[in-house]
Amino acid sequence: KAGVTQTPRYLIKTRGQQVTLSCSPISGHRSVSWYQQTPGQGLQFLFEYFSETQRNKGNFPGRFSGRQFSNSRSEMNVSTLELGDSALYLCASNQGQGDYGYTFGSGTRLTVV
Amino acid sequence: SQQGEEDPQALSIQEGENATMNCSYKTSINNLQWYRQNSGRGLVHLILIRSNEREKHSGRLRVTLDTSKKSSSLLITASRAADTASYFCATGGLGSGNTGKLIFGQGTTLQVKP
Repeated sequence: KAGVTQTPRYLIKTRGQQVTLSCSPISGHRSVSWYQQTPGQGLQFLFEYFSETQRNKGNFPGRFSGRQFSNSRSEMNVSTLELGDSALYLCASNQGQGDYGYTFGSGTRLTVV
Repeated sequence: SQQGEEDPQALSIQEGENATMNCSYKTSINNLQWYRQNSGRGLVHLILIRSNEREKHSGRLRVTLDTSKKSSSLLITASRAADTASYFCATGGLGSGNTGKLIFGQGTTLQVKP
């Protein structure tokens, strides 16, 4: 069974640009969550999608957005990048119901210069 | 904001020794999970313990949960160099009303010396 795939692995962008990150969940998983990890703030929840609907959202500015497609693949977009957006972005998938652990991808390392 | 506090922040032991990490949380939970992260890569799910469980085992891992104290501990027995990683507790997620949202502690960095 293939794991959670995140692309790209590394990304360097300039302040003010926008970026789109992609996540393909485990086959059959309908829930995809996104997290930002930084040394200062740790792991913070961005949002979660289930069956193409945003089910929960963290405390991030509107520059951070996401979507989920009918095949459960998800994208997150960050517009007007700031230096503080430099982080490891992790996506996690889950069946979407019941008490189960999450399977995480390897992450996308975003550097904003 | 982070739900959990983990203790210690860093732990260094010799191979073969046991490692214990503690996690405290603030709100009521339906389950608590432990994850491992190697060197800035993705997290690996280790174990989930439900609020009505007090102890759970998985291989060399033993997790306890004390809901009255809002705390959990992860014990790794007979540690190996390959156990060197950061360990995070997480609460929330499905079944707790916070659908799909995990709240992580700040993690414990474990170094196992060969």
